[in-house]
Amino acid sequence: SQTIHQWPATLVQPVGSPLSLECTVEGTSNPNLYWYRQAAGRGLQLLFYSVGIGQISSEVPQNLSASRPQDRQFILSSKKLLLSDSGFYLCAWRAPGARGEPQHFGDGTRLSIL
Amino acid sequence: GENVEQHPSTLSVQEGDSAVIKCTYSDSASNYFPWYKQELGKRPQLIIDIRSNVGEKKDQRIAVTLNKTAKHFSLHITETQPEDSAVYFCASAGGYNKLIFGAGTRLAVHP
Repeated sequence: SQTIHQWPATLVQPVGSPLSLECTVEGTSNPNLYWYRQAAGRGLQLLFYSVGIGQISSEVPQNLSASRPQDRQFILSSKKLLLSDSGFYLCAWRAPGARGEPQHFGDGTRLSIL
Repeated sequence: GENVEQHPSTLSVQEGDSAVIKCTYSDSASNYFPWYKQELGKRPQLIIDIRSNVGEKKDQRIAVTLNKTAKHFSLHITETQPEDSAVYFCASAGGYNKLIFGAGTRLAVHP
């Protein structure tokens, strides 16, 4: 069966520091991968998605970047964190192909910027 | 652009009552509509989904209905229990690879 791993689970970082969050998927090939951010008590904001190695689509202009160095690895990065980058970051995957497939979420990383 | 509107934003019911959450989507080409439940501090989890070739789907106490003409879909929870308390998100398949999420409904079930 397929599993998705995200780490770390929680992270406290100072303003201006760099960021690297990692997400890996097991048990599937060529998944579509997604990064979302969720502010406290709010909805899901899609940040990036990827349909293949090296292919990244950005949904909103921001202080973050994403990379997909391997088929089942998706990384969210920042060179200098802002206070507004605080939130709950969720990685998700879905099977490639037609629209009618659900996305499955990882356990998330709770990021606090001080 | 593509949009999903979800109502109500908060819903409070007594245990045993029914709860209904409604969503409206804008992309007439959407053909897939999942519902997610998110408990506090946890990840969203898929609870039920429906594809455009059916009008209704049921799984125990949960049902989803779809009206493609009106571009509406709804989640129905019967005989609610305190453990149903969570935030519920609807979504529609937007574009080739994305889901467009509603803003969420916070459901509180009181014993």
